[in-house]
Amino acid sequence: KNEVEQSPQNLTAQEGEFITINCSYSVGISALHWLQQHPGGGIVSLFMLSSGKKKHGRLIATINIQEKHSSLHITASHPRDSAVYICAVRSGANSKLTFGKGITLSVRP
Amino acid sequence: EAGVTQFPSHSVIEKGQTVTLRCDPISGHDNLYWYRRVMGKEIKFLLHFVKESKQDESGMPNNRFLAERTGGTYSTLKVQPAELEDSGVYFCASSQGITGSAFFGQGTRLTVV
Repeated sequence: KNEVEQSPQNLTAQEGEFITINCSYSVGISALHWLQQHPGGGIVSLFMLSSGKKKHGRLIATINIQEKHSSLHITASHPRDSAVYICAVRSGANSKLTFGKGITLSVRP
Repeated sequence: EAGVTQFPSHSVIEKGQTVTLRCDPISGHDNLYWYRRVMGKEIKFLLHFVKESKQDESGMPNNRFLAERTGGTYSTLKVQPAELEDSGVYFCASSQGITGSAFFGQGTRLTVV
């Protein structure tokens, strides 16, 4: 079993819907990253968090350290949000990232 | 400011040939990482440089892979000889400190035929 699990694997939504993507991990972490990759594009870092909640525009990321769980929320989704969303964690003193498989999100107009 | 850049963006080589991938990190970033995604799997760590020194190379698959970072600037990852299972997308990332945000390159898609 992978140390970082994401669900659901694929997600289709209608434009305007509120979307939640989940990430669970099994190791102690010092930080969790949410990353985005558009088709044919590079990886972009959306958030890095170690506690609580962060917000940027229509995106909100939360983390519950006790439950080893993080969520990425997209409000008022738009077709341009269609991308792969990847959760990655940094454990303890290690600086390398351990990745989930990513979730492919498609937002239909 | 330029981001992390990788060359080439795509490479198709025959089994047994040699390929060298290059990564230019963001200027001033001492930490440089190589990652790889094999089709259908999650992205996996290959190695980590701090300046010119290899901090952690626990993810390197075997001795056909050689990474260097001469002078602590750009890095190269050489695969020699390439095998079919080496196909995938190779990502480079850099950060200012080990706790800083990671900035990723566009990746190099390597296809070994």
